[in-house]
Amino acid sequence: DQQVKQNSPSLSVQEGRISILNCDYTNSMFDYFLWYKKYPAEGPTFLISISSIKDKNEDGRFTVFLNKSAKHLSLHIVPSQPGDSAVYFCAASVNSGSARQLTFGSGTQLTVLP
Amino acid sequence: EADIYQTPRYLVIGTGKKITLECSQTMGHDKMYWYQQDPGMELHLIHYSYGVNSTEKGDLSSESTVSRIRTEHFPLTLESARPSHTSQYLCASSESKGARYTGELFFGEGSRLTVL
Repeated sequence: DQQVKQNSPSLSVQEGRISILNCDYTNSMFDYFLWYKKYPAEGPTFLISISSIKDKNEDGRFTVFLNKSAKHLSLHIVPSQPGDSAVYFCAASVNSGSARQLTFGSGTQLTVLP
Repeated sequence: EADIYQTPRYLVIGTGKKITLECSQTMGHDKMYWYQQDPGMELHLIHYSYGVNSTEKGDLSSESTVSRIRTEHFPLTLESARPSHTSQYLCASSESKGARYTGELFFGEGSRLTVL
């Protein structure tokens, strides 16, 4: 049973417009959420994160919103650029004793059209 | 910028061969991980280590084995490769930061394995 779900496998947007990537989770124990970006043939790179005690975190063009009651988070990219074209993974973590482990979604392929 | 390295980046081998995927990190992180990822699918944790001489299996069952003899090195071995092992293998590391620890992982560039 997937605890972190990204229901949109792909998304296309025009350059300069807003990209919104969505993620849903089922485990209410998750207390930290992260977004990773992955180019083909490369490893994922950390993009932005948010603690469950917050509902918004912003870093430049990237903003993550968290709606705990709906168990939903979203990543907004404004303005979108062709270099943003990549697979975006949502991940969630819970403190399990001595360490945290990440649970990943299946990713959303974002294509930004010039 | 993360300093975690994987070799080989690409490997094509025949069925039955033994292979070792290397992973090294220079950040002194105590925790290291191996993930397996196929296109359009989530990353699945197959092995992890919280320190030297400590290894555990992850959520996804894997026929591979790992070792952690040195902090910086976490190789993954397949004794007899099969076509079902064809996948991308991602190594990652993280550091405990006490109350500030978030689980953030630093990934290597991955090893793409194809077994014919």
